[in-house]
Amino acid sequence: AQTVTQSQPEMSVQEAETVTLSCTYDTSESNYYLFWYKQPPSRQMILVIRQEAYKQQNATENRFSVNFQKAAKSFSLKISDSQLGDTAMYFCAFMKPTGRRALTFGSGTRLQVQP
Amino acid sequence: GAGVSQSPSNKVTEKGKDVELRCDPISGHTALYWYRQRLGQGLEFLIYFQGNSAPDKSGLPSDRFSAERTGESVSTLTIQRTQQEDSAVYLCASSLTSGRVDTQYFGPGTRLTVL
Repeated sequence: AQTVTQSQPEMSVQEAETVTLSCTYDTSESNYYLFWYKQPPSRQMILVIRQEAYKQQNATENRFSVNFQKAAKSFSLKISDSQLGDTAMYFCAFMKPTGRRALTFGSGTRLQVQP
Repeated sequence: GAGVSQSPSNKVTEKGKDVELRCDPISGHTALYWYRQRLGQGLEFLIYFQGNSAPDKSGLPSDRFSAERTGESVSTLTIQRTQQEDSAVYLCASSLTSGRVDTQYFGPGTRLTVL
């Protein structure tokens, strides 16, 4: 079974600064997908970024980028130029490429962007 | 097109009553998932529907939980004889499963409170 660990329950960052959220996972699979989802107070889960394990290049989406270290089973999210609208819970998630494609989630990191 | 919708948004019930939660997936999405999110925690997988295949019920916590889906449309999650530990947000997600990366799109959830 897969496990996903987010060791930072809460983080705070000043507006316009950069922050990195940590995520580690455990799996015996060689190929898989990793995701970061954002959950604002509205409860809506929003996909931030995704990474396919067979791709060595780190994914980027505008101000969001990941540092994917497959050997270390680490998948951190970097948010550059933080904005007030980035305030939310952030969840790291794992998915196998075949069979049941349910997501395995970490416990989340609450990010507060301070003005 | 429209996103995933869920109803009701909030549900308060008394212990021992049955409740039904509804999910309308994105049109054309063949896969549908139900997750449970307890307060301050990540999401736990409950059940997975893929097309006309038999559902994967491996995440259901007890036989009081059941779900149905008609074809590739609406799904209902039923909780019988509700208990206080059933209080949580129930999230539904749908996906295409046609590509290599199976991105799940989430609804806003139903917050269930069992008194």
